[in-house]
Amino acid sequence: GQNIDQPTEMTATEGAIVQINCTYQTSGFNGLFWYQQHAGEAPTFLSYNVLDGLEEKGRFSSFLSRSKGYSYLLLKELQMKDSASYLCAVRDSDYKLSFGAGTTVTVRA
Amino acid sequence: IAGITQAPTSQILAAGRRMTLRCTQDMRHNAMYWYRQDLGLGLRLIHYSNTAGTTGKGEVPDGYSVSRANTDDFPLTLASAVPSQTSVYFCASSWTSGSSDTQYFGPGTRLTVL
Repeated sequence: GQNIDQPTEMTATEGAIVQINCTYQTSGFNGLFWYQQHAGEAPTFLSYNVLDGLEEKGRFSSFLSRSKGYSYLLLKELQMKDSASYLCAVRDSDYKLSFGAGTTVTVRA
Repeated sequence: IAGITQAPTSQILAAGRRMTLRCTQDMRHNAMYWYRQDLGLGLRLIHYSNTAGTTGKGEVPDGYSVSRANTDDFPLTLASAVPSQTSVYFCASSWTSGSSDTQYFGPGTRLTVL
């Protein structure tokens, strides 16, 4: 199974940068995903890492260190619409995802 | 393209009643999943199916059953609902052939068991 930890809440100012950390203990690691979920909506895919290093997609970047069981999601140039929950998920060899409890990010004006 | 649809959107159910949550995808994904989401606990996998005709148990399968008669549909049944099954239920689907294949989620069903 998987044990996935991420902070419960984070607050940041519009235009700033926020880094959401995720640590995991896993059996059969097969990739790490980040999803965004606005209140009352379904999760939507943000990023994917399977090899160590940084993946950049516009204002969002995600980093993975498999040896440390660690990932982070970096949100740059924060906008009010980025207020949401961010879910870290680890995939096993059977393509099943295990999710952390999610980090609620609040962006203040 | 609808993606994934779920029905009903929300439901209030008396304890002890039987309930089936419906999920249909039009992306021809081979794999489908059912999760429940509870405050503070995140998404937890109930059951999954990697291909039509096969199903597997996830982290919290007790009290739930599924079937996968074809590629598109993956209904979740609560045989005798209990209040602890009050939750938001998400269906998801994906390919399982490529390393970057992600899961796509339906809009969810909010279920309240009284």
